[in-house]
Amino acid sequence: DVKVTQSSRYLVKRTGEKVFLECVQDMDHENMFWYRQDPGLGLRLIYFSYDVKMKEKGDIPEGYSVSREKKERFSLILESASTNQTSMYLCASSLGAGGDTQYFGPGTRLTVL
Amino acid sequence: QKEVEQNSGPLSVPEGAIASLNCTYSDRGSQSFFWYRQYSGKSPELIMFIYSNGDKEDGRFTAQLNKASQYVSLLIRDSQPSDSATYLCAVSSEEGGNKLVFGAGTILRVKS
Repeated sequence: DVKVTQSSRYLVKRTGEKVFLECVQDMDHENMFWYRQDPGLGLRLIYFSYDVKMKEKGDIPEGYSVSREKKERFSLILESASTNQTSMYLCASSLGAGGDTQYFGPGTRLTVL
Repeated sequence: QKEVEQNSGPLSVPEGAIASLNCTYSDRGSQSFFWYRQYSGKSPELIMFIYSNGDKEDGRFTAQLNKASQYVSLLIRDSQPSDSATYLCAVSSEEGGNKLVFGAGTILRVKS
């Protein structure tokens, strides 16, 4: 079974704080993704990575950065958290190219006060 | 911007009925199509994927794909209250190759 884990289920941070969200997958997948999900807006891609140290911007990268130093780990960084970044953050991974099945972690519900 | 459209619902069906969920997409180059189920407060989980035109059946679920009409659907037979969830349609994107574009989801409610 593919397992994708995320460091926290719930997180509360203050405006201006630097926030790290961690994601780890145990299936040697090449691709990893970060999404945020908001009511009525669906899943929106923030960043993705298809290899170690490689990253690509998704649809809404502003205010976020990512790091992938090891194949199994993909981190999302909010440099200076703002209230409009309050959301559910979902990490996913997939094996290969061509729109392969993505497997999701449990999600992190982030609240920025 | 590639788009995937779903009726937000809620779609209400009685227990035992067939639920029909629909999705249209804009990218003619899309090759892979997925249906995910998401319970409230949980992350999406894969139900089915389909690559070829026609029907694909898995238990109570049938995915239908019509690439000419850019239309994919999910049928749930003998609907159960436990099927009540949000169903997300996802379509592969030819931009970047590895990405999926998700619809906003359809809320399904199965009444017992």
